[in-house]
Amino acid sequence: DTAVSQTPKYLVTQMGNDKSIKCEQNLGHDTMYWYKQDSKKFLKIMFSYNNKELIINETVPNRFSPKSPDKAHLNLHINSLELGDSAVYFCASSQETSGLETQYFGPGTRLLVL
Amino acid sequence: GESVGLHLPTLSVQEGDNSIINCAYSNSASDYFIWYKQESGKGPQFIIDIRSNMDKRQGQRVTVLLNKTVKHLSLQIAATQPGDSAVYFCAENRAGGTSYGKLTFGQGTILTVHP
Repeated sequence: DTAVSQTPKYLVTQMGNDKSIKCEQNLGHDTMYWYKQDSKKFLKIMFSYNNKELIINETVPNRFSPKSPDKAHLNLHINSLELGDSAVYFCASSQETSGLETQYFGPGTRLLVL
Repeated sequence: GESVGLHLPTLSVQEGDNSIINCAYSNSASDYFIWYKQESGKGPQFIIDIRSNMDKRQGQRVTVLLNKTVKHLSLQIAATQPGDSAVYFCAENRAGGTSYGKLTFGQGTILTVHP
């Protein structure tokens, strides 16, 4: 299947822990994104990478560190997890960053910090 | 249900009715608009898009209307089916500059279709 995939789908962890979420796209896209969806369903961009280079960083705490080992992967590492980090995290990809292209989303990772 | 406490705009229709979901956007410089559908437990799914040089675009059972004068976007779904029940988001983007594909999402509308 051609898609944007994320692992894990669910992540339950204790406050203070460090965790990673992985994302892969096999659409051949150059650009990948991380979005956060809060409990009110509001979706907000966190990061964007184009050809492994960071191009958007939306005032996200530096406890969040994205890493792109290649164009098809964008992982999100979170240090010292806090209760407020509980949310659904979506990875997305697009062919380019012209602003006129569709972004395709993964299924999401539901993070619960206890 | 999942919608409890969300306080999103809601639209409840009967199967077979036409649905209209509205969205007001904020950036008059936006060039590109997308409608996404998000079903429970899933990621946003692309439905239809429109560029700012158009005011109407049609897809299969869906039509998007863009009114740049009042910064308003609408999604019309014809012959709505129970499978159309979901949260619908509009999103806007701006070409070029330093936007780098930064999609800005609206708050979402819950559509419930009753059989």
